[in-house]
Amino acid sequence: SQQGEEDPQALSIQEGENATMNCSYKTSINNLQWYRQNSGRGLVHLILIRSNEREKHSGRLRVTLDTSKKSSSLLITASRAADTASYFCATDEGYSTLTFGKGTMLLVSP
Amino acid sequence: DVKVTQSSRYLVKRTGEKVFLECVQDMDHENMFWYRQDPGLGLRLIYFSYDVKMKEKGDIPEGYSVSREKKERFSLILESASTNQTSMYLCASSLRFSYRTGNTIYFGEGSWLTVV
Repeated sequence: SQQGEEDPQALSIQEGENATMNCSYKTSINNLQWYRQNSGRGLVHLILIRSNEREKHSGRLRVTLDTSKKSSSLLITASRAADTASYFCATDEGYSTLTFGKGTMLLVSP
Repeated sequence: DVKVTQSSRYLVKRTGEKVFLECVQDMDHENMFWYRQDPGLGLRLIYFSYDVKMKEKGDIPEGYSVSREKKERFSLILESASTNQTSMYLCASSLRFSYRTGNTIYFGEGSWLTVV
């Protein structure tokens, strides 16, 4: 079952601009994670934010979590062409499995 | 670094064939997963295993079975392949769930299966 839904489905920006992707989910969660997938490859973990955290940073990535609205956002600052990929949010409800959204396709043009 | 290795990157099989997709992880992870990824549908969990010889059905187990005889190896089996099983299959692994650490999942590079 699909828990997270990313928005927008696709995003096209120029190098140097910021990219913001959003994720909404339905039920209470323990953690929320963001993953990246380059075309035709496996997913790579980017960042995890716990339900009791509101914001987290990792390099050019900034993640926010609003549990009252059941939503999260991923901000990539100063985007590069190499950031072109699909980005997925994934939620867990305290068990071993994660539930993934359908992803946002980000295209960063030089 | 965690390494999850899927034995075949690209396969072409005929309808009705029995297909084995093999996956090996080298980090002594307790959990292993098989996902299927299709355009517009995202990732869907087929099966997961939390220990040797243990398995749990995911969201779409029909038409698939799994085998976990050793901790590091998790196999996905298509008993009789059909064209609607043409897809990208992703294997993944993780440590046993912990509230303190969460459960980051590590993925293989994927296996593209075409059933003709």
